[in-house]
Amino acid sequence: DAKTTQPPSMDCAEGRAANLPCNHSTISGNEYVYWYRQIHSQGPQYIIHGLKNNETNEMASLIITEDRKSSTLILPHATLRDTAVYYCIVSVPSEGGSEKLVFGKGTKLTVNP
Amino acid sequence: DADVTQTPRNRITKTGKRIMLECSQTKGHDRMYWYRQDPGLGLRLIYYSFDVKDINKGEISDGYSVSRQAQAKFSLSLESAIPNQTALYFCATSDLGRGHNEQFFGPGTRLTVL
Repeated sequence: DAKTTQPPSMDCAEGRAANLPCNHSTISGNEYVYWYRQIHSQGPQYIIHGLKNNETNEMASLIITEDRKSSTLILPHATLRDTAVYYCIVSVPSEGGSEKLVFGKGTKLTVNP
Repeated sequence: DADVTQTPRNRITKTGKRIMLECSQTKGHDRMYWYRQDPGLGLRLIYYSFDVKDINKGEISDGYSVSRQAQAKFSLSLESAIPNQTALYFCATSDLGRGHNEQFFGPGTRLTVL
């Protein structure tokens, strides 16, 4: 699996956009970018995923660079409940033997009042 | 995710004891996973199963075994627990039919081995 690099921590003011970067310079052509988050020792929660195009859902937006070597997760209006560790993961979905998410240390996002 | 449950939620045991952690899901998913998490680190995959007859080792399977008793149940066993197996354990599920690897996690089991 390709490795990802994320800053260990970030701060964001409540109500502002949180932009979390991720580098995945060795990503393969068929690997997707996934984002999960983990709130204080709870089970991780899926946020969003993408392959090439930018994606948006009710939780966040995912911006993937054209060369796919990096991406940014955007929480448009961060709230205190968004304080969590955010994991950027690259993975090939639904292939035998490749069905696994490799979690790094992630980015600890703290949303401040 | 309330559709994925783990029992027990907390367990303290002694070195050498056999421990079983259980995971049940009502999501109807065919794939199930066991992870462990150590303080300050990400999750590491122990075992995973694509269906009832399929068991696969993950990154750190030594010292663990699993049983997929039914589509909805996936148990993790520590045959002889040791202190460095003290960790937070998560079960997860995913659905082959969704076509992408969105996993749904249980609330976790905090295991302490003395």
